[in-house]
Amino acid sequence: QKEVEQNSGPLSVPEGAIASLNCTYSDRGSQSFFWYRQYSGKSPELIMFIYSNGDKEDGRFTAQLNKASQYVSLLIRDSQPSDSATYLCAALDSGGYQKVTFGIGTKLQVIP
Amino acid sequence: DTEVTQTPKHLVMGMTNKKSLKCEQHMGHRAMYWYKQKAKKPPELMFVYSYEKLSINESVPSRFSPECPNSSLLNLHLHALQPEDSALYLCASSQGELFGLTEAFFGQGTRLTVV
Repeated sequence: QKEVEQNSGPLSVPEGAIASLNCTYSDRGSQSFFWYRQYSGKSPELIMFIYSNGDKEDGRFTAQLNKASQYVSLLIRDSQPSDSATYLCAALDSGGYQKVTFGIGTKLQVIP
Repeated sequence: DTEVTQTPKHLVMGMTNKKSLKCEQHMGHRAMYWYKQKAKKPPELMFVYSYEKLSINESVPSRFSPECPNSSLLNLHLHALQPEDSALYLCASSQGELFGLTEAFFGQGTRLTVV
């Protein structure tokens, strides 16, 4: 069973701080990873995807991938109250190129 | 237009009813997906259509029947559902066959309650 593990949280950070969200995955063959943001009662929204080891930056968001450790992270700089949501980590299954396994999501609370 | 539109937004149905969920996109995406999400759980893949053909069925019970009439439209036909099928049903589409690798979007979902 391919799994994506996340701490469900909540992770509370003060406004303006850096939020660090972490994720591990079991499928060693996974090549592509995604971070989705989901507000309560809404659909997931793609924030970033990453498929190369190292860092990928987009505005206030930085995704980090370490395939040797099977570890993905998302850093949110200058956190805002509007960033408060559940962040889902997902991995593209190695055996089926259309199958994505989602983690349970980490609930982030940014305190004003 | 970067939207995936799902209708209805809410649906309450009895266990003997037949209903359908509808999903539409006009982005030219060739892969479309149905996901099921229960409260405080991650989305779970149900079906994938690629170029209007069913490419993945995740062993979903036959009371759920997908249909892709054309490249822009995806339906999910529901019949004889159980209360445990109550969930948020999400449709998604992606530009290519690699979900999320390029442009992938979710619809707002249909919240289904089976009574």
